[in-house]
Amino acid sequence: QVQLVQSGAEVKKPGASVKVSCKASGYTFTSYYMHWVRQAPGQGLEWMGVINPSGGTTSYAQKFQGRVTMTRDTSTSTVYMELRSLRSEDTAVYYCARSFGGWYVHFDFWGQGTLVTVSS
Amino acid sequence: EIVLTQSPGTLSLSPGEGATLSCRASQSVGSNQLAWYQQKPGQAPRLVIYGTSSRATGIPDRFSGTGSGTDFSLTISRLEPEDFAVYYCQQYGSSPYTFGQGTKLEIK
Repeated sequence: QVQLVQSGAEVKKPGASVKVSCKASGYTFTSYYMHWVRQAPGQGLEWMGVINPSGGTTSYAQKFQGRVTMTRDTSTSTVYMELRSLRSEDTAVYYCARSFGGWYVHFDFWGQGTLVTVSS
Repeated sequence: EIVLTQSPGTLSLSPGEGATLSCRASQSVGSNQLAWYQQKPGQAPRLVIYGTSSRATGIPDRFSGTGSGTDFSLTISRLEPEDFAVYYCQQYGSSPYTFGQGTKLEIK
């Protein structure tokens, strides 16, 4: 069965970086793009960007340009999202979500989420 | 960027009743690339409807989606207890992909 298993919760200080992983199984890793979406406490969903695991190409929301990097490791079917220069407003649950075969496709399966807390 | 506005913010209904949730876009959504997700407390979102009107795998036929251009809706006929959740619409026709602010469907 399809699984997207994310890394555990993180607590970071302002100015630090965090790297969240999302390990895929149960399907062909390179056939699905992987998006990252975050949700601040009690708030809605915010798209951060997407990576094509096949070639590694990425597209980021302008809000996060320069602060986020998405990478992948095809040998372990894992994608990573690194967010730098953390501030308190980055406290949120971060989700990975896959979409089949292209940029403009719905997200058919989501990871369980990773809580990142930014606090001094 | 396309802004999605959902209404109402909260909908209070009883099991067995029907629900209609609305999602309005600030500009036309390309190729009707509009999805609906259901989220329950402490859980990840779950795809309900994609392409405006196609049900995702495992979604019962009491869920239906309609719309085009800038106006979309999700209808749930005969609410079941497990349907009470927050629903988000999302457009994926242009980048950045955007979500509505959500409609909370609560038990009356």
